[in-house]
Amino acid sequence: KNEVEQSPQNLTAQEGEFITINCSYSVGISALHWLQQHPGGGIVSLFMLSSGKKKHGRLIATINIQEKHSSLHITASHPRDSAVYICAGPPYNTDKLIFGTGTRLQVFP
Amino acid sequence: EPEVTQTPSHQVTQMGQEVILRCVPISNHLYFYWYRQILGQKVEFLVSFYNNEISEKSEIFDDQFSVERPDGSNFTLKIRSTKLEDSAMYFCASSAGDRVFSSYEQYFGPGTRLTVT
Repeated sequence: KNEVEQSPQNLTAQEGEFITINCSYSVGISALHWLQQHPGGGIVSLFMLSSGKKKHGRLIATINIQEKHSSLHITASHPRDSAVYICAGPPYNTDKLIFGTGTRLQVFP
Repeated sequence: EPEVTQTPSHQVTQMGQEVILRCVPISNHLYFYWYRQILGQKVEFLVSFYNNEISEKSEIFDDQFSVERPDGSNFTLKIRSTKLEDSAMYFCASSAGDRVFSSYEQYFGPGTRLTVT
């Protein structure tokens, strides 16, 4: 069983739709990262959060530490949001990130 | 905005050859990491490095792998004798702090795609 699970694995949407990607983890982690991986392979950090909610532009990330669950929301999705979204976290007493398998998002015009 | 850089972007090598992947972390960061991603798979942790020594390594990081910070700016990953299964995208990351501090967001480089033939 993966320590960090994401759903769905693949997601297609029409431009303008509200997107939700979910992440559940079985290990105790001190904070959760949401990352974006572009088709060329580069990884960009979107959020790091350990409680509550964070918002950046059209992106919103929430986390429930007790339930070991986090969500990434994209409002008013756009084709340029097409990418793989990955959640990752460092288990307690370590700095290494354990990664989910990623959610491949395609937004069509 | 400061960023992590990696060179080369793509390296092709023959099985058994040594390769060195180079990274320049963000200048005031103190913690450095290597991750890899085999095509179609999830990103995996290889090694973390702080204060000129390895702080943690994974099972993947065997005797064929080594890391070094030869000067104040570069952070390198060496694979001594490459195998076919070493073909992957290798990402370097750096952070200003560790779990003890509030800001330990890791910043990733663009990756080096290693192809072993």
